[in-house]
This record gives sequence, C-alpha cells and structure tokens, in this order.
Amino acid sequence: GAVVSQHPSWVICKSGTSVKIECRSLDFQATTMFWYRQFPKQSLMLMATSNEGSKATYEQGVEKDKFLINHASLTLSTLTVTSAHPEDSSFYICSTRSSLSSYNEQFFGPGTRLTVL
Amino acid sequence: QKEVEQDPGPLSVPEGAIVSLNCTYSNSAFQYFMWYRQYSRKGPELLMYTYSSGNKEDGRFTAQVDKSSKYISLFIRDSQPSDSATYLCAMRTYSSASKIIFGSGTRLSIRP
Repeated sequence: GAVVSQHPSWVICKSGTSVKIECRSLDFQATTMFWYRQFPKQSLMLMATSNEGSKATYEQGVEKDKFLINHASLTLSTLTVTSAHPEDSSFYICSTRSSLSSYNEQFFGPGTRLTVL
Repeated sequence: QKEVEQDPGPLSVPEGAIVSLNCTYSNSAFQYFMWYRQYSRKGPELLMYTYSSGNKEDGRFTAQVDKSSKYISLFIRDSQPSDSATYLCAMRTYSSASKIIFGSGTRLSIRP
C-alpha cells in the first residue's frame, strides 16, 4: 500500500498557541488527502477533505477557521490547529486515496497525538 | 442511532483461538466494507476490503458480509499475540469514495 508519513508524531503545547501537523504522501502524488480526529476509545471522525490547489471541504461541525488546511503540493498537506485549547487534545490522522488502487482505498498515516495544556 | 455499531470490548482470548469480530450498520446504501487494524498510538492499517455480500479470505483472516442482515464479521484463525490490537470496521457507499464511516473499534488481546 501507499506510504504516508506525519510529522510530528506527538506534540504538547500551551493553550492559545497554534500547532501545525504535516502529512506527506511518500510514494505517489495525492490530489486528495483526508484529515481525521480520533478521541480515546472512539472511532475516527472525518474532519475535512484536502484538495491540492483548492480550498478544503470541511465536515459539518468542524470550524474551518480553527482547523486550517493547506494542500499546496501533490505530496504535502498541513493541518494547523489555531488557538488550541485542551478540548482539541486528540489523535489526528491523515490519509491519502490512491488512484492506483482498484477500490480507491485510503491509506493512513501513523497519526499525531496533540496534547494541549 | 449510530450508522455503524461495534462492540468496544475488550475481548481477551487465548493464543490459537478463533476470534470473531462483528459490526452492524443501518445504511443499506453501504456497498464497500473494510476492516482496519490499529495498534496503540498508530494509524489504522487496512486488513480486508470487501464489495457487497459474501466472504473473502486472506491467510488467517476471513471477512463476511451479510447485507440482508446489515451485519459484517471478521474471523481470525490461529490467533497470535501479535494480533492484539484494536480492530475497526468501516464502510462506505458506492458513490462516496471519500466518506468512510468507521465503527468505534474492538480492542482485542491475545493471551500467550
């Protein structure tokens, strides 16, 4: 399957600061990447779909001004959590969809654990 | 009611046992069914991918889909301690390649 990396793997920040998370597709060009959030013992929830060269599409209830997504190249999408608060502490996971796959399946990155103090 | 229901467990079985993991769903439009394995503090890894009803086997893993009952299963034969992880079922409709709906995951522990 496709190789997806995320950086950093974990981050601790103070309340009110902003945090940027990078998602890279290492072995193919991804026009579409997805950002998920996973709270402890809960399922993955899609936050937004990131499209290269255009604005991201956000799911209902996700604040686009708080979770800024930039997909400037075919291999990199970034998620910036602005003015983070303790309730934003979660596991953030990105994925890419491979056009090479017959099922258009998604491949997930290793995730970034964000802790806001 | 959630679109996808999955027993969170934890489920603990001895090494070598057959494991059965299940999910139910409510949306009859779901056509693609997936099982992901997620180790602690890692991203999900795709295990099995099934289209519509039927069975699919891959090594020690067998996925079953019963669309009439809106019920899917994952069987693990000859379970190993390395199978200890959280297993997430997931599904999507034919038209929505992007919108995957995940179950909450079942935590599985295989005792040596």
